[in-house]
Amino acid sequence: EPEVTQTPSHQVTQMGQEVILRCVPISNHLYFYWYRQILGQKVEFLVSFYNNEISEKSEIFDDQFSVERPDGSNFTLKIRSTKLEDSAMYFCASREMTDPYSPLHFGNGTRLTVT
Amino acid sequence: AQSVTQPDIHITVSEGASLELRCNYSYGATPYLFWYVQSPGQGLQLLLKYFSGDTLVQGIKGFEAEFKRSQSSFNLRKPSVHWSDAAEYFCAVGRNSGNTPLVFGKGTRLSVIA
Repeated sequence: EPEVTQTPSHQVTQMGQEVILRCVPISNHLYFYWYRQILGQKVEFLVSFYNNEISEKSEIFDDQFSVERPDGSNFTLKIRSTKLEDSAMYFCASREMTDPYSPLHFGNGTRLTVT
Repeated sequence: AQSVTQPDIHITVSEGASLELRCNYSYGATPYLFWYVQSPGQGLQLLLKYFSGDTLVQGIKGFEAEFKRSQSSFNLRKPSVHWSDAAEYFCAVGRNSGNTPLVFGKGTRLSVIA
């Protein structure tokens, strides 16, 4: 079964540094998402992306965050200047377009640790 | 705005015993409801979903869930738990439109003892 893949599995960075989290959605999917899960808390929506633009974003997704689909396969989340509170598990998800009721398929996540 | 409440943070059951994980949602219209499972170090795997029709939905791994509109609930059940079911379970609700971000509950951690 096709999978959403995320790299790296674990990223450690210093406060103030830029990080890029990478995702390869399922190939025929056209809706892409980023969610995050701070340790011990709920999974929170960050942003959705369709047709090369952001379709919806949460209040968490401020100017420090950006997303990009640089080529036909990758979908990236960039945090420009990381803060301690950005430490979390970040999940990428994708959904196919043809079925509007199709569920999200999640990757295994990237654990980001900001020190 | 949608919201999801999973009132149980941690549940421990014996292997072979039945399981029910509670989920209550808040949403003004007909919700789309999901249960996901997260094993340690893994992503979120869809167990089952409800959009309309039969209020009892069957999922993978022997799980089922029942949508009760009157109680705003979507509880997850399994008649006989296996040790491999130990994981974190998340209930989620989506708006009734195509590209809908999901709102998740805080999750319930399931431990299974022999």
